[in-house]
Amino acid sequence: NAGVMQNPRHLVRRRGQEARLRCSPMKGHSHVYWYRQLPEEGLKFMVYLQKENIIDESGMPKERFSAEFPKEGPSILRIQQVVRGDSAAYFCASSPTPNQNEQYFGPGTRLTVT
Amino acid sequence: GQSLEQPSEVTAVEGAIVQINCTYQTSGFYGLSWYQQHDGGAPTFLSYNGLDGLEETGRFSSFLSRSDSYGYLLLQELQMKDSASYFCATPNSNYQLIWGAGTKLIIKP
Repeated sequence: NAGVMQNPRHLVRRRGQEARLRCSPMKGHSHVYWYRQLPEEGLKFMVYLQKENIIDESGMPKERFSAEFPKEGPSILRIQQVVRGDSAAYFCASSPTPNQNEQYFGPGTRLTVT
Repeated sequence: GQSLEQPSEVTAVEGAIVQINCTYQTSGFYGLSWYQQHDGGAPTFLSYNGLDGLEETGRFSSFLSRSDSYGYLLLQELQMKDSASYFCATPNSNYQLIWGAGTKLIIKP
């Protein structure tokens, strides 16, 4: 039973380019969460999605950031026109229910904006 | 709003016992979880307390006192591989998991 998959593991983008981060939840999990982590800090919630629905995007910047979790395929976190401040580790987690107390994390995508 | 406080760093000796504290301020309480994260790695779930008392899982135990808005993670028989950051986290009413800033555990031989 594969765990949460994220790709790419490392992504380098120049300022102004687009970054697309992918997350495949664990089998049987329909709840996906995206977090951002800066060095030496805790995780910051960005968005919570179920299949085809955004449940809570209150942690996601209103501009340049978007997320989706289509009926088929992985969840995508998209960052348009990246800036240096977007450099961080982005983690995806999944759970089988809306139980927030036990989430399973992917290995993360380290985004570096040059 | 929700906030959690934990020490930024704790140092202990291999084979010893260490306790990592977490105090929280929440509007509504839905349980306290603990996660471990090695440098460059993903957080992994360790334990959850929904009610007061001690939960034990092998060398790790977690305690909660809701009246004190306080919990701790206890690690026994420390091993070098336990060197990592440890986070307490609690969900808010919007299904968001709110995280502490993490405690870096340094283990000396």
